[in-house]
Amino acid sequence: KQEVTQIPAALSVPEGENLVLNCSFTDSAIYNLQWFRQDPGKGLTSLLLIQSSQREQTSGRLNASLDKSSGRSTLYIAASQPGDSATYLCAVNQRGGADGLTFGKGTHLIIQP
Amino acid sequence: DGGITQSPKYLFRKEGQNVTLSCEQNLNHDAMYWYRQDPGQGLRLIYYSQIVNDFQKGDIAEGYSVSREKKESFPLTVTSAQKNPTAFYLCAVAKNEKLFFGSGTQLSVL
Repeated sequence: KQEVTQIPAALSVPEGENLVLNCSFTDSAIYNLQWFRQDPGKGLTSLLLIQSSQREQTSGRLNASLDKSSGRSTLYIAASQPGDSATYLCAVNQRGGADGLTFGKGTHLIIQP
Repeated sequence: DGGITQSPKYLFRKEGQNVTLSCEQNLNHDAMYWYRQDPGQGLRLIYYSQIVNDFQKGDIAEGYSVSREKKESFPLTVTSAQKNPTAFYLCAVAKNEKLFFGSGTQLSVL
């Protein structure tokens, strides 16, 4: 059974710093991997989707990498801002449909002004 | 996401009562999903539907029921058989392998 672990569980950094969030998974036979953002009491917003054949995806100040063989993905946030404060979740998909998603527990990020 | 509406935002259930959570979408997508989120936990799949009049159990379907009579609507009923229903419930719609979520319903037990 696929297991997804996110480290650290919580992170607090000053504004302006670059930071890395980590996601690891136990079964490397994945179809794709997604990073989501969740604000308190809200639904999830998809940030980046990486296919199993890709190494990385970029959107603005966000960069997600995937090393399928080692079972790891990282989300890099450049020049962090207070508005980046949220919980970031990683989800691994082992087949094409969303019913194959396994979610991590998330990293709770606080950016100090 | 503006195209997915969940209601109500907060819901309270009395013991022995069935309650229904609403999920409506105007994105014209076929696949819809219900997830449960407990504090500090990842999301767990309850039920999903890939087409009208068809749905499948997810990982934690016991104590829940769904229907899919219309493409736009995928309501979730939390039955009295669900002994620990307090959680945040999220509805999602899939397009091009990405998931788009509603704003969620917080269900609590009185």
